[in-house]
Amino acid sequence: TQLLEQSPQFLSIQEGENLTVYCNSSSVFSSLQWYRQEPGEGPVLLVTVVTGGEVKKLKRLTFQFGDARKDSSLHITAAQPGDTGLYLCAGSFGNEKLTFGTGTRLTIIP
Amino acid sequence: DTGVSQDPRHKITKRGQNVTFRCDPISEHNRLYWYRQTLGQGPEFLTYFQNEAQLEKSRLLSDRFSAERPKGSFSTLEIQRTEQGDSAMYLCASSLVTGWTEAFFGQGTRLTVV
Repeated sequence: TQLLEQSPQFLSIQEGENLTVYCNSSSVFSSLQWYRQEPGEGPVLLVTVVTGGEVKKLKRLTFQFGDARKDSSLHITAAQPGDTGLYLCAGSFGNEKLTFGTGTRLTIIP
Repeated sequence: DTGVSQDPRHKITKRGQNVTFRCDPISEHNRLYWYRQTLGQGPEFLTYFQNEAQLEKSRLLSDRFSAERPKGSFSTLEIQRTEQGDSAMYLCASSLVTGWTEAFFGQGTRLTVV
């Protein structure tokens, strides 16, 4: 049973456009992480959010944790081909294991 | 290199053979996790250790799978009598025990069972 649902599952957009990826759950998480994964490689940690309503920015990427700590979003401004990859959200209860979402496969077309 | 290291990166084995994978975590991390990922899916939890103690094992993990972390440093994951359904990417991650989990992953071991 997937506790975290990501949408959309696939997204293909032109370079320069903006996009938002969503991560939703019916459970409350203590923290939530976003990872990016390239084919044949392990996930690379982008950000950790721990406070409801928290917003973090990483260059053109903006991450938000929902007020109720049940959902999160990732917004990319002016997407570039280097942003292409599988984006994964993962949540944990306290300091327990991470539970991963279903993933969003993003393709940026030059 | 201070990241998580996994060996081998790729393994092709015949059905019925045993395989063993190794993971070296970030040196100061006391938690170590194993995940499995199939194409198009998010990583699926297998098991995790705190120091040398195995704290949780997924109910999805059959008796053919075993993991150890004998000295609280590196870990091994063994799969006995491999089946074609075991073909996947096996990922190892490590973290410190804090108020929340922030895990760093290795590059994975891609297993193909033929």
